[in-house]
Amino acid sequence: DTAVSQTPKYLVTQMGNDKSIKCEQNLGHDTMYWYKQDSKKFLKIMFSYNNKELIINETVPNRFSPKSPDKAHLNLHINSLELGDSAVYFCASSHLGPWGSYEQYFGPGTRLTVT
Amino acid sequence: SQQGEEDPQALSIQEGENATMNCSYKTSINNLQWYRQNSGRGLVHLILIRSNEREKHSGRLRVTLDTSKKSSSLLITASRAADTASYFCATDAFTGANSKLTFGKGITLSVRP
Repeated sequence: DTAVSQTPKYLVTQMGNDKSIKCEQNLGHDTMYWYKQDSKKFLKIMFSYNNKELIINETVPNRFSPKSPDKAHLNLHINSLELGDSAVYFCASSHLGPWGSYEQYFGPGTRLTVT
Repeated sequence: SQQGEEDPQALSIQEGENATMNCSYKTSINNLQWYRQNSGRGLVHLILIRSNEREKHSGRLRVTLDTSKKSSSLLITASRAADTASYFCATDAFTGANSKLTFGKGITLSVRP
């Protein structure tokens, strides 16, 4: 069984379009994340949700809007796509504890290409 | 700002040799984690070491943490071709719900058969 799944795996679209990426985890975790990995493999957190509540928003343009309908799902909607949005987007989930995050489980990634 | 910096950026070794990768960071942390990423795949968690721990083992992996030097190392013993991947260290400097991982740039490990 897939622990963290993302759809779609590939997304090719034109500048100015709006697109969504969906993520689901079946691990019972209370926290989910969106990361962006650029062409140099640098991975940066974008958002985190804990029990459906937005906790971290890392200076991401407001064209990016996450939404967590329940603890098992975290979606990412991107408006007015730009060339610089081209990257691989990863969803992840974990438990949180007093010592910070436990190990995070990552989805397979969504490769977004904006032309 | 970036927290973890791995060293070297790329490492090429022969199968059977040991691979040592280093990570330095700048601020106090709660824990440090190592992840592996195979080409075109998501990251896979390898080991988590807490700030009050100095060494942890998992199979062929050994991780050390020196909080006084703000550094960690990942040792893979008896490497295999299947260990070829990118390896990332990630630090967690916050507590509770504000916890987040800050990743380094990664190390590309190539293990020659």
